[in-house]
Amino acid sequence: QVQVVQSGAEVKKPGASVKVSCKASGYTFSGYAINWVRQAPGQRLEWVGWINAGDGKTKYSEKFQGRVTITRDTSASTVYMEMSSLRSEDTALYYCTRGIWERSGWYYFDCWGQGTLVTVSS
Amino acid sequence: DIQMTQSPSTLSASVGDRVTITCRASQSISIWLAWYQQKPGKAPKLLIYRASSLESGVPSRFSGSGSGTEFTLTISSLQPDDFATYYCQHYNTYSTFGQGTKVEIK
Repeated sequence: QVQVVQSGAEVKKPGASVKVSCKASGYTFSGYAINWVRQAPGQRLEWVGWINAGDGKTKYSEKFQGRVTITRDTSASTVYMEMSSLRSEDTALYYCTRGIWERSGWYYFDCWGQGTLVTVSS
Repeated sequence: DIQMTQSPSTLSASVGDRVTITCRASQSISIWLAWYQQKPGKAPKLLIYRASSLESGVPSRFSGSGSGTEFTLTISSLQPDDFATYYCQHYNTYSTFGQGTKVEIK
């Protein structure tokens, strides 16, 4: 079955970087995009960025532009999200999701990972 | 950015009730809206896409309607498994989510 499985929880100090992985299985990896969505405590879901797993093209939320990098390893069917210059406000659950492309020019998300808790604390 | 506003924020209901959640967009998004269900400690689950298309495997008691700026998610007969938080998401050239509606036991 289609699934995406994420790496485990991380604790980082302010100013550090974190890299979270997302391994896909059960479908043709290169045929879909992987999006990252985060959920800070008590906050709504927030889109972070996506990567087209086929051609590697990426797009990031303006809010995180310059601090987030999404990459993929097609041989391992795995996507990585790296966020730098972490601050306490980045403490959140980070989800990877499979994106379904629509004629609107964007994605909805049909399969979600289990989430990776990133805690930023001194 | 397009803002998504859900109402109510919390809804108390009983098993068997008909439940309706509203999602309003700050500008027209045509039909580009999805609904998700999230239970505590779990990832969101897709219920509806393209405003009214039911995702495969989702019970038929869930339905979506609307276009433009106003959308609704309806649960025709609330079941014990349906107590959760529901989010709308627009995906019209970008993506933002509503703040969520918690459906709790009355």
